[in-house]
Amino acid sequence: GQNIDQPTEMTATEGAIVQINCTYQTSGFNGLFWYQQHAGEAPTFLSYNVLDGLEEKGRFSSFLSRSKGYSYLLLKELQMKDSASYLCAVGGEGATNKLIFGTGTLLAVQP
Amino acid sequence: DGGITQSPKYLFRKEGQNVTLSCEQNLNHDAMYWYRQDPGQGLRLIYYSQIVNDFQKGDIAEGYSVSREKKESFPLTVTSAQKNPTAFYLCASSIHRQGVRVPYNEQFFGPGTRLTVL
Repeated sequence: GQNIDQPTEMTATEGAIVQINCTYQTSGFNGLFWYQQHAGEAPTFLSYNVLDGLEEKGRFSSFLSRSKGYSYLLLKELQMKDSASYLCAVGGEGATNKLIFGTGTLLAVQP
Repeated sequence: DGGITQSPKYLFRKEGQNVTLSCEQNLNHDAMYWYRQDPGQGLRLIYYSQIVNDFQKGDIAEGYSVSREKKESFPLTVTSAQKNPTAFYLCASSIHRQGVRVPYNEQFFGPGTRLTVL
């Protein structure tokens, strides 16, 4: 079956660093995506990993270990505007570009 | 400006009525998708279309129908057969990106339509 697990909620302090984990078990793997979604809005693309290792993009970094079925999103120098849901999604097999989404992690950044 | 539009943002319908949600994109993307989002659940794929005049069922297609007569448009009809239609509906389209190390397909989402069936 297809299974993607993320923590439901996390809380962190402004200026701090937070790591959001995602584990997956899927029948195919065509990369792992992270999206940010503010309440009532559309998800926006943050990162993509298909090779093992760390991808850094400004304050956000994403890590992938394919052998462990594990990824994390690292947010540095947290700002209040980073309060949002963070969605982990796995690209399915084949050329369909289908994504399988986790339930999302709701991050609350506190002053 | 290029983008994906969904209208209306909020939609109310009576039980037993069919309703069509619009999705338009001027990004020249070939592939388009419809997702449903419920509280505490991830996005679930309803239908997707890789090219004009072709579409495939996603994981939860029952009670829904789509058409793809034009590249820019991918409307979703929620029929009376859908047992729990109240949800947040998101449309997306995708483009192939070269990437720094590897190519990938990035999905862009519309602003969503919140459908409430009374």
